Amino acid sequence: QVQLQESGPGLVKPSQTLSLTCTVSGGSIGSGSYYWTWIRQPAGKGLEWLGRIYSNGGTNYNPSLRSRATISLDTSKNHFSLNLSSVTAADTAIYYCASEAMTAPGKLDYWGQGTLVTVSS
Amino acid sequence: DIVMTQSPLSLPVTPGEPASISCRSSQSLLHRNGHNYLGWYLQKPGQSPQVLIYLGSNRASGVPDRFSGSGSGTDFTLKISRVEAEDVGVYYCMQALQTPLMYSFGQGTKLEIK
Repeated sequence: QVQLQESGPGLVKPSQTLSLTCTVSGGSIGSGSYYWTWIRQPAGKGLEWLGRIYSNGGTNYNPSLRSRATISLDTSKNHFSLNLSSVTAADTAIYYCASEAMTAPGKLDYWGQGTLVTVSS
Repeated sequence: DIVMTQSPLSLPVTPGEPASISCRSSQSLLHRNGHNYLGWYLQKPGQSPQVLIYLGSNRASGVPDRFSGSGSGTDFTLKISRVEAEDVGVYYCMQALQTPLMYSFGQGTKLEIK
């Protein structure tokens, strides 16, 4: 069974870059079976899909991020990452990584536990 | 952009009673392959979301059969035949059909036990 674990700084200063990593176990991110996805949730609010990456490096992003987001993967370390530049307080949220089954669009079947990122000086 | 609208936003239910959540999309989610690109998720208190239903009506592995998804096009429903205490949490629908590709969630429906 695939397991995902987010890691990264819990505090980021405004205008800096938020960098998170999602380490995958129980499966290979290079297998081609999944899209690897980032989702966030501000405290007490709903879910926002941020973007995803495929094993060949192809990406899709939420246009609302206005090109601030970059998702990459490292098959040698079996992890994928999210960089979000020029952060503001509005980027404060719990960030989740998840896997989306290639055979079932929209089926986010494995999730990490989430990591809280606070943007504050 | 496809906008997802859920109702109700709050749903108090007596254990053993049925419950129903509606999700409407601003555009059809019916793909030319015949599948509706609509999923349902439950976020239990303090936990990550978990998938319940995918492609409109397919129950995910390990999901109790009291959960069912139905609908097509722009109108979808999640039904719980008999609510149990462990079903409390926030339910979200999510569309996966917008092009250029972008997924979006409904606002969430908070189910609580009366």
